Amino acid sequence: GEDVEQSLFLSVREGDSSVINCTYTDSSSTYLYWYKQEPGAGLQLLTYIFSNMDMKQDQRLTVLLNKKDKHLSLRIADTQTGDSAIYFCAEKGNSGGSYIPTFGRGTSLIVHP
Amino acid sequence: NAGVTQTPKFQVLKTGQSMTLQCAQDMNHNSMYWYRQDPGMGLRLIYYSASEGTTDKGEVPNGYNVSRLNKREFSLRLESAAPSQTSVYFCASASSGNEQFFGPGTRLTVL
Repeated sequence: GEDVEQSLFLSVREGDSSVINCTYTDSSSTYLYWYKQEPGAGLQLLTYIFSNMDMKQDQRLTVLLNKKDKHLSLRIADTQTGDSAIYFCAEKGNSGGSYIPTFGRGTSLIVHP
Repeated sequence: NAGVTQTPKFQVLKTGQSMTLQCAQDMNHNSMYWYRQDPGMGLRLIYYSASEGTTDKGEVPNGYNVSRLNKREFSLRLESAAPSQTSVYFCASASSGNEQFFGPGTRLTVL
């Protein structure tokens, strides 16, 4: 079955760049997503990328996709304390019918001064 | 536009008690989902409903039942709560597009 893997923790200093990595196994993935979960809240979509793209940039966020290696990364430039949260990678396969994404376990990003 | 709402926000149950978690969305989405989130486990899908009138099991359905009452509402029932069901429960909805919208969660403790 599909599997999405990501490291559990990342600690960075305020102002540095953060890079959160994710690997997935489903080669038929059509969309890949990054969700952000702030403490005590639900998940919110940060950004997504189509599987036929290599890169997507949105202000401080850069998503890189290496489809050959099934590797997705999220880079946050100039990381701020407000970026401290859990970041989930998710992929949606090409199974048609229902929209059932597969989530990774989440990476806790800790930003310290 | 309230998005996805869940009630209650917090609940404490004793082992063996029953309860229903409520979820509603006002975005006219076809699909709705129930997840549980446990430390280090990420999100695990309990049940989903692809459209009004249909429900399907997810990864961890045992001990739960669901009802898709109408297009807006999708409830999750615990018939006989167990300590292993202590978790944070999230409801989500989606159209046929690319994004799931999540509720704020229900924090459930079973003693």
